[in-house]
Amino acid sequence: EVQLVESGGGLVQPGGSLRLSCVASGFTVSSNYMTWVRQAPGKGLELVSLIYSGGSTYYADSVKGRFTISRHNFKNTLYLQMNSLRAEDTAVYYCARDLRSGFDIWGQGTMVTVSS
Amino acid sequence: DIQMTQSPSSLSASVGDRVTITCQASQDISNYLNWYQQKPGKAPKLLIYDASNLETGVPSRFSGSGSGTDFTFTISSLQPEDIATYYCQQYDILPYSFGQGTKLDIK
Repeated sequence: EVQLVESGGGLVQPGGSLRLSCVASGFTVSSNYMTWVRQAPGKGLELVSLIYSGGSTYYADSVKGRFTISRHNFKNTLYLQMNSLRAEDTAVYYCARDLRSGFDIWGQGTMVTVSS
Repeated sequence: DIQMTQSPSSLSASVGDRVTITCQASQDISNYLNWYQQKPGKAPKLLIYDASNLETGVPSRFSGSGSGTDFTFTISSLQPEDIATYYCQQYDILPYSFGQGTKLDIK
């Protein structure tokens, strides 16, 4: 079965760090464009980061310099390292496969809450 | 950045109604436009890609049209299971921006 399963969310204090993981099954992460999309409570969708199959990366301006997207080819896993977290980073974080013509596979989401 | 403006932001309709949502891009995006459905507590689901192509397994009552800056998403006959929030997304230029969403419920 083709699926994505995220983990790693939780409650963290402002300025803290978290690493999100997204394990893929049924397809190869490194052969695809992969993304992290977040959704703040009651709000819309925002593309946070993207990693191309060739390894190049993109970051939204709001997270540039604080977040790092990466992948582990052997584990078939996508990561999002989040540092210097702020209250405005509070959201559900989804990983998704980008087929260029749409994000066709999504994980179930993992909640990140930044609060003291 | 390209701004995507959806309308309406919310909509009430009856079962069997034809429902239409529009999405306007702030600049020409050709047909690089997708539509997603998101039910409460769930991840978004891709319904329409490249403005008018139905994703595999999606019921044929869903359709999309448009190109350039103006796009339309239609449900030909609303079903109870269609209650959700719908988002458009442009993927012409990074950041791949989403519309603000249209919340659809049953009248």
